[in-house]
Amino acid sequence: DAKTTQPPSMDCAEGRAANLPCNHSTISGNEYVYWYRQIHSQGPQYIIHGLKNNETNEMASLIITEDRKSSTLILPHATLRDTAVYYCIVRGLVSEDKVIFGPGTSLSVIP
Amino acid sequence: DVKVTQSSRYLVKRTGEKVFLECVQDMDHENMFWYRQDPGLGLRLIYFSYDVKMKEKGDIPEGYSVSREKKERFSLILESASTNQTSMYLCASNRGGLNTEAFFGQGTRLTVV
Repeated sequence: DAKTTQPPSMDCAEGRAANLPCNHSTISGNEYVYWYRQIHSQGPQYIIHGLKNNETNEMASLIITEDRKSSTLILPHATLRDTAVYYCIVRGLVSEDKVIFGPGTSLSVIP
Repeated sequence: DVKVTQSSRYLVKRTGEKVFLECVQDMDHENMFWYRQDPGLGLRLIYFSYDVKMKEKGDIPEGYSVSREKKERFSLILESASTNQTSMYLCASNRGGLNTEAFFGQGTRLTVV
């Protein structure tokens, strides 16, 4: 499966959009991009996933570049409760049904 | 609401004890997972089960075994607990296939003394 690269940490002002980047330059055509987050002392929580098209749900938007080599998770109006570690994961034929986590991005939303 | 429930939130056990961590999901999911999470090491997959009585080793299976006798229940067993198994343990489940998200339990913080 494609390896992902994320910045280790980011800050965002409360009420502003948080844009979390993920690089997956070796992604192949049938691999999905998933985002999870983990708030301190809780289990990870699914946010969103996509294959080729941009996706939006009640939590976030996922923008996947046309060449699929990178993606951005957008939290449109960040709140203090969005402070968490965000994980970008690529799932494909090698991992099959497994969910393999990298180190993620620690997002701090600042008042 | 979908649920993955871990039997204990906090657990303290003595070195050498046999420890059972239980996980139950109510979503009829085929797949279940056990992870451990340690500072600086992130979430690491211990074992994965894709069906009843079926299991596959993850990245760090040494010192652990698992049991899945029923579809909804996946147990992690520490045959002889050691202090280096002090950690946060997380259970998860999902349906089969790549286009399906995983649901996680709240975690069990195990301390081995």
